[in-house]
Amino acid sequence: DTEVTQTPKHLVMGMTNKKSLKCEQHMGHRAMYWYKQKAKKPPELMFVYSYEKLSINESVPSRFSPECPNSSLLNLHLHALQPEDSALYLCASSQMTGYQPQHFGDGTRLSIL
Amino acid sequence: EDKVVQSPLSLVVHEGDTVTLNCSYEVTNFRSLLWYKQEKKAPTFLFMLTSSGIEKKSGRLSSILDKKELFSILNITATQTGDSAIYLCAVDFSGGGADGLTFGKGTHLIIQP
Repeated sequence: DTEVTQTPKHLVMGMTNKKSLKCEQHMGHRAMYWYKQKAKKPPELMFVYSYEKLSINESVPSRFSPECPNSSLLNLHLHALQPEDSALYLCASSQMTGYQPQHFGDGTRLSIL
Repeated sequence: EDKVVQSPLSLVVHEGDTVTLNCSYEVTNFRSLLWYKQEKKAPTFLFMLTSSGIEKKSGRLSSILDKKELFSILNITATQTGDSAIYLCAVDFSGGGADGLTFGKGTHLIIQP
């Protein structure tokens, strides 16, 4: 078990559904991240929050919408996803951005039907 | 164009052998290089390297960074079957769209009994 908790662990949804992935950490970290990892590929950065402010990754489609309600929580809202969005979605946190190791949660394995 | 290149991509050895995994990078505004071990779920943090020539060590694992030649190695001595995993190298650099990690493709290490 890691100190970064992600729920749900598995999610199957249709292309018209709306769902949310959740991530929580209580290490006092002020930077939180979303990564996407396809099978047999390395994680790819999607979004970064630093002190609850978003750094936008412009290559991420708008059907993914991040939200940081407070310094401990990070959500990823999903709407109208495509089958190619099926992947492991990893959340990570670090004390701050830069020069700090990121600690990952176990991920949410997402399947789009 | 890959910014972080790992080699070999896969490696099969016998228990007790020593292995060396390589990671080279090409980024500007380098901040740190990190090694992670990934089995079925979350990448788990191993080392963060920021200075050249200073070896980091944890049990049978060690790592060193060469900022002049832009590479790092991860050594595992007296390997055990539990060392079987994908070892990911990631670079943290400032600039670009966001402050996150850029990963190499990973080295898939298999330790045979």
